[in-house]
Amino acid sequence: EAGVTQFPSHSVIEKGQTVTLRCDPISGHDNLYWYRRVMGKEIKFLLHFVKESKQDESGMPNNRFLAERTGGTYSTLKVQPAELEDSGVYFCASSQAGRNNEQFFGPGTRLTVL
Amino acid sequence: GEDVEQSLFLSVREGDSSVINCTYTDSSSTYLYWYKQEPGAGLQLLTYIFSNMDMKQDQRLTVLLNKKDKHLSLRIADTQTGDSAIYFCAEKLFTGGGNKLTFGTGTQLKVEL
Repeated sequence: EAGVTQFPSHSVIEKGQTVTLRCDPISGHDNLYWYRRVMGKEIKFLLHFVKESKQDESGMPNNRFLAERTGGTYSTLKVQPAELEDSGVYFCASSQAGRNNEQFFGPGTRLTVL
Repeated sequence: GEDVEQSLFLSVREGDSSVINCTYTDSSSTYLYWYKQEPGAGLQLLTYIFSNMDMKQDQRLTVLLNKKDKHLSLRIADTQTGDSAIYFCAEKLFTGGGNKLTFGTGTQLKVEL
């Protein structure tokens, strides 16, 4: 069974541009999470989808970030316009329905904003 | 509040034991985890411990939890070069909004020959 996949693996953009990150969760996983690690610091929670609904978006840094999960399958995270401080590694994770289930992580997308 | 702290680096010799430490602040944590990240890879769950346990052993891995001091440790016995990676501790909180993991900064483990 395929794991969580993320695209692209790397993205280098200039300040002010737009970037869209994609996450494909494990098939059948209702829960989808976005996290990011900025400049070697801790990995921080961004938001949590249950199917297509945003369950918790308390970690989204500002309104330049927009996450969607239309149809409850894959998810996109758009940053518009990108700023220098948005550079980091963006991780996606998915888990089955239920509170105790393990979150499986993708390899991450490394975003560099110049 | 939610705050998880780890030391940034640890260097050990192959065959020695490694001990990676973590402190957390939220006493309502239910599960505590150790994840491993190898270069270019995602986060791999190594082991976890439920908050009402003191210790958990899984082959070369031993997790110790001191709930009073909010201290979690991961001991790797007979450390090998393949254990070189970044190790993250994380706590899971059941919030009104669902599950989310709060991670530490990660400890870079370097295993030398």
